[in-house]
Formats: sequence, structure tokens, C-alpha cells
Amino acid sequence: AQSVTQLDSQVPVFEEAPVELRCNYSSSVSVYLFWYVQYPNQGLQLLLKYLSGSTLVKGINGFEAEFNKSQTSFHLRKPSVHISDTAEYFCAVRNHNAGNMLTFGGGTRLMVKP
Amino acid sequence: DADVTQTPRNRITKTGKRIMLECSQTKGHDRMYWYRQDPGLGLRLIYYSFDVKDINKGEISDGYSVSRQAQAKFSLSLESAIPNQTALYFCATSDATGSGTDTQYFGPGTRLTVL
Repeated sequence: AQSVTQLDSQVPVFEEAPVELRCNYSSSVSVYLFWYVQYPNQGLQLLLKYLSGSTLVKGINGFEAEFNKSQTSFHLRKPSVHISDTAEYFCAVRNHNAGNMLTFGGGTRLMVKP
Repeated sequence: DADVTQTPRNRITKTGKRIMLECSQTKGHDRMYWYRQDPGLGLRLIYYSFDVKDINKGEISDGYSVSRQAQAKFSLSLESAIPNQTALYFCATSDATGSGTDTQYFGPGTRLTVL
């Protein structure tokens, strides 16, 4: 079985400050990793994904994430946030052997303040 | 027009009523999914379908049923709604790559309240 833990349920940050949203996973086999963003009153959309290769993955809107296999982490970062980044962010994992099933973390609400 | 649409967007109903949530997609994907979102729990998979004749239970299927009427349509039913089914429901689709690397595309969600 696989699981995903997002350590922070809420992260308040001032505009133009850097931010890191933490994600740890557990799985007995290799995984694919995803970050999705949910803006208010909308569905989820993909920010970025790690499939293989370089452990530093760049996504949309200036976000990036780094896969760390030894620490089983996939933290999301942005060097300078905007008000428009206020949203809920979900980390998700898919086991290589588990068909097409995504397991989501509980989500982190990023609140960017002026 | 949106690629994945859900109707209704909001619904309030009473305990014991039968409810159907509908999902349509224009992406031409074979795979469709139903999730529910609860605060602090993220999204949990209810049912998924890899094609019209292939329907599978997800993590939390009890109390729900589904119907895949066509490649583009996937409906979720609550036969007898109960208050703890109050949640935000999402439909999603993906390509049938079979490799696990595909992206899921989500609809805007249906907010269901069961009184």
C-alpha cells in the first residue's frame, strides 16, 4: 500500500516571499509523483510530475519540486509567491504496479498575504 | 468549453433520497474516475472505469454505484443518501497509456449536501 503525508495543512506567507510545501510518501515499490493545485471553486489541475530522470522537476507558474528517494519526499517550492498563488495544493503518488490509481495527500492550503 | 463537465454543480438533498451526479468529457479519454474530497483527507477514489465495459471499485465505494453510459459519460449514484456523504465530488479522466505516467484531468466538482 502507498500513502502520502502533507505535513502542513495551512501555510501563510507574505507576497514575494519564498515558500516550500512539504510532501512525504511511503511505498514499497517505485512511484510516480504529482503535485496538483486547486484554485477556489475549481477542480484540480496538474502543476508538475516526476516520472524519471532529473530529480528536479519544473512546473507551471514558477513552481518546482525535488524528488528525494532516500527521504521519500517530493517538496514543492517557489522562490517568490504572488497573491494569485493562494490555493490548495495536493501531492499525489502512483505506484508503478498499482494500475492507474492515484493516492492523494490531505492537501496544504497556501495563503499569500499582501 | 470545458473538457470535463459535471452536473449539477451544487445539490442539497435529504437523507434517504436517491441522487445522481453526472460527468461528461470531450477529451476522448477512455479512463474516468469519481473522487470525493473531504477537508484534511484529500481526494479519495470511489469508482473508476477503464472503458465502457470495465468498472472497478475504489477505496470507498460503499453506498455508491456508477454507470458508464458511453465513453464520454460516467455517472455516480447515491442510492440512499446519508449525511456523511456530504462532500465535494470530482470526476476525472485520463488517457489509457497503461504506463501510470498519464495525467488526470478534473472537472469543476459537485458540492453535495445531505441534510
